[in-house]
Amino acid sequence: GGIITQTPKFLIGQEGQKLTLKCQQNFNHDTMYWYRQDSGKGLRLIYYSITENDLQKGDLSEGYDASREKKSSFSLTVTSAQKNEMAVFLCASSIINERLFFGHGTKLSVL
Amino acid sequence: GDSVTQKQGQVTLSEDDFLFINCTYSTTTYPTLLWYVQYPGQGPQLLLKVTTANNKGISRGFEATYDKGTTSFHLQKASVQESDSAVYFCALVYTNAYKVIFGKGTHLHVLP
Repeated sequence: GGIITQTPKFLIGQEGQKLTLKCQQNFNHDTMYWYRQDSGKGLRLIYYSITENDLQKGDLSEGYDASREKKSSFSLTVTSAQKNEMAVFLCASSIINERLFFGHGTKLSVL
Repeated sequence: GDSVTQKQGQVTLSEDDFLFINCTYSTTTYPTLLWYVQYPGQGPQLLLKVTTANNKGISRGFEATYDKGTTSFHLQKASVQESDSAVYFCALVYTNAYKVIFGKGTHLHVLP
């Protein structure tokens, strides 16, 4: 078996701050994803990457950057945190597109 | 564009009650349909999947049927337990595509 590790688990930022979330997987999966989860809005795709150094925008990419420098890691940057923003960011990886393996999430709060 | 709709934001049941979570989809062709479950403090995990080839998915007592006529993919379980309390997401994905489209989720709360 494998595991997806997201760091940090909790992230508190200030308005306008640049914040980086990290994700590591040891499944050796090619494809990795970043989803944002808001209460009542489900999971929305921010970025995904089908291989090392590849980046594809999802529906919610504005305000975010991503980086996939190694097959095992995928990072997400909030370019300018919005005041009172609160959401959970979920990283996932897959070898078959139907079955995504998710991490436990990073919970973001912006003061 | 393609979408999945879950109208029930929250469902509260007692143990041994019958579970029915509504999901409808809107697509131009026939994708693979999925149900994911998210337990507290964890990420979502695949519960079951159904394609047009097999028509019905069953896992851990949960089942869902691919209904092209009503474009629905409802999740059912005959008798829920307190441990089934979680958020359930309906989703769809196309073969050879990377993007999984999720519904808004239904929070199931089972009372002991």
